[in-house]
Amino acid sequence: GAGVSQSPSNKVTEKGKDVELRCDPISGHTALYWYRQRLGQGLEFLIYFQGNSAPDKSGLPSDRFSAERTGESVSTLTIQRTQQEDSAVYLCASSQQGISTDTQYFGPGTRLTVL
Amino acid sequence: SQKIEQNSEALNIQEGKTATLTCNYTNYSPAYLQWYRQDPGRGPVFLLLIRENEKEKRKERLKVTFDTTLKQSLFHITASQPADSATYLCALDMGNDYKLSFGAGTTVTVRA
Repeated sequence: GAGVSQSPSNKVTEKGKDVELRCDPISGHTALYWYRQRLGQGLEFLIYFQGNSAPDKSGLPSDRFSAERTGESVSTLTIQRTQQEDSAVYLCASSQQGISTDTQYFGPGTRLTVL
Repeated sequence: SQKIEQNSEALNIQEGKTATLTCNYTNYSPAYLQWYRQDPGRGPVFLLLIRENEKEKRKERLKVTFDTTLKQSLFHITASQPADSATYLCALDMGNDYKLSFGAGTTVTVRA
């Protein structure tokens, strides 16, 4: 079937605006992860979903960041009152069971630019 | 917290040669390591997983080693091709059931 998809692929916004990023995982994958990747840097863990619950939100940088997941389906990452330091690529990944030996399947990412 | 270091310099090699990438870690010793490939504008793609009790793992022209004494994994691309040009990321388990910690990656460019 289809892989992980993310939308939009690019988002340019003004400082202070809210943005919503969407992730459609592979069907049947119970686990979903959000990461942030700044230019030239590694993947920074943001949040982990098992089904529609988020047992680990420890990577969310501030209370301006939140995420939801509907069942074992689509997830949205919301950033409120965006700041320039939020500019990065936001990657979503899904895996079958959510154990760390699972392969994580990544989407193409959303490139967020905050002016 | 776990610190992961990959080759800080990009690797430029001639087609046909072997590229060797390093992944060093401190503190917690992972039970296994994963290697991913990332092309520009795309998400990472899984390549190989090696467990702590495995010294070496191979997949086609790729070879990974895992030395828990040195706290190091080496990733080799043999008989390299221009299509191997990409950024390669190592990822370590975090001692829980679900989380990986990723290195910053090493960019490899293979010249024809």
